Amino acid sequence: NAGVTQTPKFQVLKTGQSMTLQCAQDMNHEYMSWYRQDPGMGLRLIHYSVGAGITDQGEVPNGYNVSRSTTEDFPLRLLSAAPSQTSVYFCASRRQGTETQYFGPGTRLLVL
Amino acid sequence: TQLLEQSPQFLSIQEGENLTVYCNSSSVFSSLQWYRQEPGEGPVLLVTVVTGGEVKKLKRLTFQFGDARKDSSLHITAAQTGDTGLYLCAGNAGGTSYGKLTFGQGTILTVHP
Repeated sequence: NAGVTQTPKFQVLKTGQSMTLQCAQDMNHEYMSWYRQDPGMGLRLIHYSVGAGITDQGEVPNGYNVSRSTTEDFPLRLLSAAPSQTSVYFCASRRQGTETQYFGPGTRLLVL
Repeated sequence: TQLLEQSPQFLSIQEGENLTVYCNSSSVFSSLQWYRQEPGEGPVLLVTVVTGGEVKKLKRLTFQFGDARKDSSLHITAAQTGDTGLYLCAGNAGGTSYGKLTFGQGTILTVHP
């Protein structure tokens, strides 16, 4: 199993550009989440999904969109990038009924 | 919004010393997790504590969940250089918020040889 994979690893954007951060898991987990990690602030939940076709907002959803058309994939879209979205983004997945959450390696995003 | 206050934010110690990291909240959590994160990688789950007063041991690491399920601690005995990393606590509110983790700010631990 590859676990949770994220692409790209690094990305530089200009303000106003859009992009999609990819996340995939091969463990058939129902739950998937997107977090951002900023210095001194831990991880903050952006959006999450409890299954294909079902998504909901987390703590900091503004400026981000998600969709879950398949169990495996959970892409995160930045509609119009802003410098405040410079961060490290982590995708995670978890099997329903369990507590163990598996994180991907992260995408480091710089918005100029 | 539930908050988790983690302390200290930075910890620099010599190999062989003991240390404790604290995670406190005014809110009750159904469970609390501790993660360790290496530079350039995602967090990795160390333990989940569920019952108030619960103590779990993982080799030299001891995790405790407060009786009221509002706080937790991580104690490392005889720290080693391999323990260096970022330690994160995360609380699960449960109920309709089940699965939505609230993370503390993290503790950066550096163990010097």
